[in-house]
Amino acid sequence: ETGVTQTPRHLVMGMTNKKSLKCEQHLGHNAMYWYKQSAKKPLELMFVYNFKEQTENNSVPSRFSPECPNSSHLFLHLHTLQPEDSALYLCASSQVGVSRTLPEQETQYFGPGTRLLVL
Amino acid sequence: GIQVEQSPPDLILQEGANSTLRCNFSDSVNNLQWFHQNPWGQLINLFYIPSGTKQNGRLSATTVATERYSLLYISSSQTTDSGVYFCAVESTGGFKTIFGAGTRLFVKA
Repeated sequence: ETGVTQTPRHLVMGMTNKKSLKCEQHLGHNAMYWYKQSAKKPLELMFVYNFKEQTENNSVPSRFSPECPNSSHLFLHLHTLQPEDSALYLCASSQVGVSRTLPEQETQYFGPGTRLLVL
Repeated sequence: GIQVEQSPPDLILQEGANSTLRCNFSDSVNNLQWFHQNPWGQLINLFYIPSGTKQNGRLSATTVATERYSLLYISSSQTTDSGVYFCAVESTGGFKTIFGAGTRLFVKA
């Protein structure tokens, strides 16, 4: 497979369930991202992993728990979600330069997303 | 924090028409990207363009970093161009990526 893949593509879960979203990138990148896209709202960056370390957490509720076991895989563990968490969850990856003062080609490549419905 | 505004919010074009989408941002940025989200929800990179002009087929983009805006040009639009076009910027302080609200484009056959 090439690019960025996400599984599952669709997920329906109850508020008491525990589920995980998986993202895998085949691009040799060193940074991975989770985004949330809700209806009628701009894309929101949730988590950033750079060189496998979490470098950004944009005030995301603790019911979302990311895991990055290696530079190619990223998980988003979900538990006790709320109906308002229903959204499209997008994963992305990019190649981040060692020196952030010299912007390089850091285009983010997105997966197809997981459409989540919380009942 | 940095603000990203896109205009117009909605756009309807007749197939074959040209259009210009705009992205304004309120502070200096490390980089800027344009994305197209197709009707199936998938985001596709169009341009990485922190400054200057780039062209790819019928699409081109120009970013004037000193004036804090970027433009995406679509020429000879096709129905497959329909979807939402997002501008995303990375702020210089904190390396945070902020997306605009998008421009929803519908191209009529």
